[in-house]
Amino acid sequence: NAGVMQNPRHLVRRRGQEARLRCSPMKGHSHVYWYRQLPEEGLKFMVYLQKENIIDESGMPKERFSAEFPKEGPSILRIQQVVRGDSAAYFCASSRGTGSDTQYFGPGTRLTVL
Amino acid sequence: QKEVEQNSGPLSVPEGAIASLNCTYSDRGSQSFFWYRQYSGKSPELIMFIYSNGDKEDGRFTAQLNKASQYVSLLIRDSQPSDSATYLCAVNSGYGGSQGNLIFGKGTKLSVKP
Repeated sequence: NAGVMQNPRHLVRRRGQEARLRCSPMKGHSHVYWYRQLPEEGLKFMVYLQKENIIDESGMPKERFSAEFPKEGPSILRIQQVVRGDSAAYFCASSRGTGSDTQYFGPGTRLTVL
Repeated sequence: QKEVEQNSGPLSVPEGAIASLNCTYSDRGSQSFFWYRQYSGKSPELIMFIYSNGDKEDGRFTAQLNKASQYVSLLIRDSQPSDSATYLCAVNSGYGGSQGNLIFGKGTKLSVKP
């Protein structure tokens, strides 16, 4: 009974490089959410996706950030041309959708930008 | 702007005491409320969810919801040192059972002293 899976768990990038974060939802879950937690800050919503659809991206920075959840494979959060301010923990959560809005979190990816 | 407010603490209680954590929310239309526990460096772990006014008990944990006062609380009975963590209050932004992202408070840091 695997939970939400994220990889990599730790990612180090230099300024200007690209970061790709992956998330596989729990079995039976079709809704994926990405959150960011800056050091000593609360969790902030970024984007909500279902298979092949972005439902709500109101929390996503307008530039350099993108997300997808293809028909096959994990959801991916992509950050282009990373800057030091992107250093944070990025958490993915999933929910079943129908009949339940309870979200379960993955272990997170800790991104460090040098 | 929907907001969730928590006292950041730290809240310190002796082992065996009751810890009381409080949360208020701004959107009167909110319908789903969650408490997560987050240990330092780890991901949020769901403790309880509550949808209806009143109390909901699960083991040593009791969630209380008062929609008229827009107030949610979490009581931890017989507190243990292992309960020392940051407790996050979250409200689902969706309405009428629809899915939505979670809006988090900044969390209350609980310390249980042996």
